[in-house]
Amino acid sequence: DAGVIQSPRHEVTEMGQEVTLRCKPISGHDYLFWYRQTMMRGLELLIYFNNNVPIDDSGMPEDRFSAKMPNASFSTLKIQPSEPRDSAVYFCASSLEGHNLNQPQHFGDGTRLSIL
Amino acid sequence: AQTVTQSQPEMSVQEAETVTLSCTYDTSESDYYLFWYKQPPSRQMILVIRQEAYKQQNATENRFSVNFQKAAKSFSLKISDSQLGDAAMYFCAIFGNEKLTFGTGTRLTIIP
Repeated sequence: DAGVIQSPRHEVTEMGQEVTLRCKPISGHDYLFWYRQTMMRGLELLIYFNNNVPIDDSGMPEDRFSAKMPNASFSTLKIQPSEPRDSAVYFCASSLEGHNLNQPQHFGDGTRLSIL
Repeated sequence: AQTVTQSQPEMSVQEAETVTLSCTYDTSESDYYLFWYKQPPSRQMILVIRQEAYKQQNATENRFSVNFQKAAKSFSLKISDSQLGDAAMYFCAIFGNEKLTFGTGTRLTIIP
């Protein structure tokens, strides 16, 4: 079975550029999550969607970050303009019936983002 | 609000020995789940074990087991017969009230 697919695996770009991270959740999963991991703050939930609708974006650090889910099989996390402090590994995860605690979240491989 | 604390940034263990990673948490929820995730150098997060808060019996998964002390809000992970492939970052997490909160992680090194 295909898991959560994220692209790109690595992204290196200069400060001020627009960065778009992509995620394809597991087919049939109702929930999609975006996380950011840094050594200082650990793993942080940025935003999550239920049936393509953003439910909680309180973890989005600032207006430079935006996320969309135009359909059930695709989501993007965009940073514009990017800054060096955005450098981190960004994870996407999906879950079947996210509020059903018997269903764990399945994570993608992550995107390592480096802003120079 | 819920918090997760992993007080051991790094741990090391001899191959084939047993190691315990500690985790404490705080939550006002009565219904929640606790997880340990493993993140190997390849960076993919892998679910190691989960524990339902309403279950008193400690969860086990092969060489992995937890010591869940609900009153003390403690959720430690024990790895028996450590193997080189166990080397990774380990994250403790709590899911409650539709929120998933992770600790800052413990880096586990296996000494051959």
